[in-house]
Amino acid sequence: SQQGEEDPQALSIQEGENATMNCSYKTSINNLQWYRQNSGRGLVHLILIRSNEREKHSGRLRVTLDTSKKSSSLLITASRAADTASYFCATDGETSYDKVIFGPGTSLSVIP
Amino acid sequence: DAGITQSPRHKVTETGTPVTLRCHQTENHRYMYWYRQDPGHGLRLIHYSYGVKDTDKGEVSDGYSVSRSKTEDFLLTLESATSSQTSVYFCAIRDRGSYEQYFGPGTRLTVT
Repeated sequence: SQQGEEDPQALSIQEGENATMNCSYKTSINNLQWYRQNSGRGLVHLILIRSNEREKHSGRLRVTLDTSKKSSSLLITASRAADTASYFCATDGETSYDKVIFGPGTSLSVIP
Repeated sequence: DAGITQSPRHKVTETGTPVTLRCHQTENHRYMYWYRQDPGHGLRLIHYSYGVKDTDKGEVSDGYSVSRSKTEDFLLTLESATSSQTSVYFCAIRDRGSYEQYFGPGTRLTVT
């Protein structure tokens, strides 16, 4: 299997705090992406990091990638109640980049 | 709105009956995907397509078949539905340049 785990499975924080989610994967990858899903809706793309990149920023999002440890983290700074959602990482394989596999996700609750 | 629709949006069917779900895109993307989402499992890849008549298996393809006779439509068929196939099914397209996936609204399937 290409994908590993995400942790924590669930995270509850106060508004204004930072939220960190981690993702691990098993095989070499081409790209790693993070997606967000609001309850009952489809997933929305947040950010992509390529295998030759170590860190990427987009607004309040910061993603890191450690290919030696086969892991990534997503940091959401200054969280808002509207950030409450499930967050998933997705990888495409180094040799089968058409095949996109998702992790089980982290459920984030931001308490106002 | 990435121009992806899924039909039907909701379906209840009986065990043993065949079921076909349709994904339609208006963006002329080459890559299309079918995922199922179940609590605790995140999204699991069923099948994907990299062109007309070009498809491949994902992580959980047993009991499912797909067809893509034209660019805009990707059909998922449950040959003989079972209760374990009760799930929410998401279709996605993938932008070849950015690697981003765009998801449809989902189909909630209940097999009784």
